[in-house]
Amino acid sequence: DSGVTQTPKHLITATGQRVTLRCSPRSGDLSVYWYQQSLDQGLQFLIQYYNGEERAKGNILERFSAQQFPDLHSELNLSSLELGDSALYFCASSEGLAGTNTGELFFGEGSRLTVL
Amino acid sequence: AQSVTQPDIHITVSEGASLELRCNYSYGATPYLFWYVQSPGQGLQLLLKYFSGDTLVQGIKGFEAEFKRSQSSFNLRKPSVHWSDAAEYFCAVGASKRNYQLIWGAGTKLIIKP
Repeated sequence: DSGVTQTPKHLITATGQRVTLRCSPRSGDLSVYWYQQSLDQGLQFLIQYYNGEERAKGNILERFSAQQFPDLHSELNLSSLELGDSALYFCASSEGLAGTNTGELFFGEGSRLTVL
Repeated sequence: AQSVTQPDIHITVSEGASLELRCNYSYGATPYLFWYVQSPGQGLQLLLKYFSGDTLVQGIKGFEAEFKRSQSSFNLRKPSVHWSDAAEYFCAVGASKRNYQLIWGAGTKLIIKP
């Protein structure tokens, strides 16, 4: 158990819809990362938040957005869904404190999104 | 541009045999290097990492990896695999310990023959 909790584990929805994925990081971790894993694209970094602020952006579509709340949980919002958005979405967390970061990411078990 | 190549998409190894998974990277400076494992239905877990110092690093579950700067490689090894090692293995390269800029390889799926 990594200590990172993601909900829901599975989600099936239709094209054009909007969904929200939720992540609770490990206790004490300030950084949250979102990744998309699909068969054709592999593991793609989407976005990182540190203590409520966006720190880095990867290959995140404009239809996707995320935020980190004061209690450090994070949500990834996916809108105007397309068939190609079907994937496993991982959240990861890390210590994220200057001088103490061990370089290790702790991953949740993922949310599997199926768009029909 | 930075990149990570894992040349083997699948590798099949007999239980008890040795294992080597290849990882080559392209990066201008000394990178931070990681190996993660993803068991079926699970998230990724860190196996080991290299930041500096001894180029042979030990990880969890009996894995080790060797950083070879001249070959831009960071290959993962295990002397004797167990059926529970069947998983997908990802090599990643980072510009710093803060790792939000990790570049990931495509992964190598390890299949264990009984």
